[in-house]
Amino acid sequence: EVQLVESGGGLVQPGGSLRLSCEASGLTVSRHYIIWVRQAPGKGLEWVSVIYSDGSTYSADSVKGRFTISRDISKNTLYLLMNSLRAEDTAVYYCARTSAGDIWYFDLWGRGTLVTVSS
Amino acid sequence: EIVMTQSPATLSVSPGERATLSCRASQSVYNSLAWYQQKPGQAPRLLIYGASARATGIPARFSGSGSGTEFTLTISGLQSEDFAVYYCQQYNDWPPHFGGGTKVEIK
Repeated sequence: EVQLVESGGGLVQPGGSLRLSCEASGLTVSRHYIIWVRQAPGKGLEWVSVIYSDGSTYSADSVKGRFTISRDISKNTLYLLMNSLRAEDTAVYYCARTSAGDIWYFDLWGRGTLVTVSS
Repeated sequence: EIVMTQSPATLSVSPGERATLSCRASQSVYNSLAWYQQKPGQAPRLLIYGASARATGIPARFSGSGSGTEFTLTISGLQSEDFAVYYCQQYNDWPPHFGGGTKVEIK
């Protein structure tokens, strides 16, 4: 079965750090464009960071300099390292795959992992 | 950046009826428009891409139309499993932006 499974969420204090994982099965992460999208409680969807198949990475201005997306090809897993966390980073974080290269709609999503930033 | 606006925010529909959801882009996205369905506690599910093409496994009661700046998602003969939140998303320009969503609820 082709799937993405996120993990690593939890409760963290403001200013703290957390690393999210997105483990892929049935697909090879290095061949796909994969994005992290977040959804704050009761809110809509917001892109966070993306990694291209060639390894290039980009992040939204709201997280630039604080969040880093990376991947481990040997583990077929993507990561989102989140530093200097703020209350407004509280959200469910999803990883998702583009259907075809750099055509940015998403045909496969994980179930998400909840990050809560609170003291 | 392109802003996506969905209307209405909430749509009350009786089972078996038709639901019509709207999505407007702040500038032309041509036909680079996708629709997703999201149920509580679940990830978004791709319904429509290219403004009108149904994704794999999506029932024919879901149809998309429009181009440029105005788009519509129509759900014909609403079934109980269709009550959810629906998001549009443009992918003509980077970054991909989602609309604020339309909640389809039981009337």
